[in-house]
Amino acid sequence: DAGVIQSPRHEVTEMGQEVTLRCKPISGHDYLFWYRQTMMRGLELLIYFNNNVPIDDSGMPEDRFSAKMPNASFSTLKIQPSEPRDSAVYFCASSLATGGAGVAGDNTQYFGPGTRLTVL
Amino acid sequence: RKEVEQDPGPFNVPEGATVAFNCTYSNSASQSFFWYRQDCRKEPKLLMSVYSSGNEDGRFTAQLNRASQYISLLIRDSKLSDSATYLCVVSLNTGGFKTIFGAGTRLFVKA
Repeated sequence: DAGVIQSPRHEVTEMGQEVTLRCKPISGHDYLFWYRQTMMRGLELLIYFNNNVPIDDSGMPEDRFSAKMPNASFSTLKIQPSEPRDSAVYFCASSLATGGAGVAGDNTQYFGPGTRLTVL
Repeated sequence: RKEVEQDPGPFNVPEGATVAFNCTYSNSASQSFFWYRQDCRKEPKLLMSVYSSGNEDGRFTAQLNRASQYISLLIRDSKLSDSATYLCVVSLNTGGFKTIFGAGTRLFVKA
């Protein structure tokens, strides 16, 4: 298995531009997560999906951020318009199950390599 | 108070040393616990899950103390390749699934 695939790996854009990050989860995984990591705030969960349905988007910073999962093998995170404070590494992760009580090992989250976003 | 707190370090230890990290969490309803490892400019990867009875994987031992709400990771006979950031992770169900990552503890193992 190729693991979680993210594109692009690096994105440099100017303030005000639209940015779209893409993710392909591991085949068969029911859960998909979007995270943002910065030095100041660490790793933050933005939103997660279960079977393509958004379950919790309380971590999405504001209306400029939106995420979709049109099918089981693809998700996007869009920022419109982008701002310099959005500069961060954005990770996508997938898992078979949630991190709650369950079969040991099924709730491991597998991360993609991340997209390093710089907004000038 | 942060929901998951870790000493950011860095911990600088010589090869062969034993090093321990602690992590505390604030929500007593937390259900699952993990240690992840993150190398510089890489993605986090699961190191090990943490069970109530404690568990060991080679040189790594994880412990959970629910009463005191802390998790520990012990690394014995540390190797240069152990240099990384170690993230404490807590998950709970509050009507919806929630995963919280600690800010991480940096470890440098030197020859």
